[in-house]
Amino acid sequence: DQQVKQNSPSLSVQEGRISILNCDYTNSMFDYFLWYKKYPAEGPTFLISISSIKDKNEDGRFTVFLNKSAKHLSLHIVPSQPGDSAVYFCAASSTNDYKLSFGAGTTVTVRA
Amino acid sequence: DAMVIQNPRYQVTQFGKPVTLSCSQTLNHNVMYWYQQKSSQAPKLLFHYYDKDFNNEADTPDNFQSRRPNTSFCFLDIRSPGLGDAAMYLCATSRSPQETQYFGPGTRLLVL
Repeated sequence: DQQVKQNSPSLSVQEGRISILNCDYTNSMFDYFLWYKKYPAEGPTFLISISSIKDKNEDGRFTVFLNKSAKHLSLHIVPSQPGDSAVYFCAASSTNDYKLSFGAGTTVTVRA
Repeated sequence: DAMVIQNPRYQVTQFGKPVTLSCSQTLNHNVMYWYQQKSSQAPKLLFHYYDKDFNNEADTPDNFQSRRPNTSFCFLDIRSPGLGDAAMYLCATSRSPQETQYFGPGTRLLVL
C-alpha cells in the first residue's frame, strides 16, 4: 500500500519560473520528510528535509513546506534552472523505525 | 571521493538462473540497504543490514537474499529470477538508521 504519493508524474516549467512539486502521505506516524533528486544513470541524491516540528525549511533556491493537518508537503524551486531537470522523489519516515517510504517521483523539465 | 558503487550497472540473466548484484561503499557506514524500483514506481525497500544484523521486509520474496561479508560490501542474491524481477536495484548506505541515506547508481536487471 503506497503511503507516499506524488500524483504528478511530470512537470514542465520555464527557466526562471517557480517549480512546485507536491507530495501526499497517509501514515500519521511519519515525522520526517525528505526530497531526493535523481539524474539519469545516477542514484538519488539527498536534496532537503524537514522535521514535523517545522512547517518550512529553506536551502538556497529550494524550500520545503509541510502541512501536517493535510498530510501534504511541497517542494518549491525558485528560480528554476536547466540543471534542475531531474526526477524528484519525496520520502518519509517515522522515529519508530526510520525506514524510508518513497513516492514514485516527479520528472521535472526546465525549458530554456 | 567517498561513494557507493554498484556493479554491474546492467545485468542480463535468464529466467531461473541465479544472479548476484554487488554493492560496495567507501563511506564506512554501518547501514546498507537494498531497494527495488520498477518502472515509474517508488523505490521499495527489500532489506537492510545494520552492521551484521539483517533486517528483512515482511513482503520481500524468499527468492531474494542478501549477504554482507564486511562493512564495505553487500550482495543481493536472486535465487531464481522471474520476469517480474526485472527492475532497477538500488543500494544505499547510512551512518545510522536515523541519518541520511546515500545511494549508488543502481543496477538495471533484465530477465529473459
